[in-house]
Amino acid sequence: DVKVTQSSRYLVKRTGEKVFLECVQDMDHENMFWYRQDPGLGLRLIYFSYDVKMKEKGDIPEGYSVSREKKERFSLILESASTNQTSMYLCASSPPPERGRGGNTIYFGEGSWLTVV
Amino acid sequence: AQSVTQLGSHVSVSEGALVLLRCNYSSSVPPYLFWYVQYPNQGLQLLLKYTSAATLVKGINGFEAEFKKSETSFHLTKPSAHMSDAAEYFCAVRRRSGNTGKLIFGQGTTLQVKP
Repeated sequence: DVKVTQSSRYLVKRTGEKVFLECVQDMDHENMFWYRQDPGLGLRLIYFSYDVKMKEKGDIPEGYSVSREKKERFSLILESASTNQTSMYLCASSPPPERGRGGNTIYFGEGSWLTVV
Repeated sequence: AQSVTQLGSHVSVSEGALVLLRCNYSSSVPPYLFWYVQYPNQGLQLLLKYTSAATLVKGINGFEAEFKKSETSFHLTKPSAHMSDAAEYFCAVRRRSGNTGKLIFGQGTTLQVKP
């Protein structure tokens, strides 16, 4: 089975702190994603990466950065945490879609609950 | 731009009743469509996906969904609800072009199942 592991399930950080959320996948997937989940808003894409050291902004990248130094690991960084970044963060991975197709499944981790006080 | 609308943020049914969760998409070209389920304090699990084969797609746990191009819909159904179906359900789309595989999600529908 595919496994996407988010190392921290629950974190409490102070405003202004630098926060690292780590994600590791064990299926050699090229694509990795960070989403943010908020009630009534569904999941919104923060950043995604389609290869080592490659990244693209999603829909809400402001206040976040990412790092992908190894294929299996994708880190989300909050340079200076703020209270409006209190949320559930979900990491996901998938293989690259086949040319002309695209039904490949995206696999999700269990989520990281971040509270910024 | 693609978008997904889930009609109804909360749906309540009795155990044994039909489950119907609505999803409409906006896209100039029919996209790939997905339904995910999220149980409390867990990540998202794929229920089913539509990738242009049969328009009626069967998934896990007795769920199915029908792609209707004329209505731009991909509603999720289950004939008989179980208590264990109580969860949050997300509809998502992915465009056919490009190779990144990113999904655009709806706002989610919380399903409550009453005894």
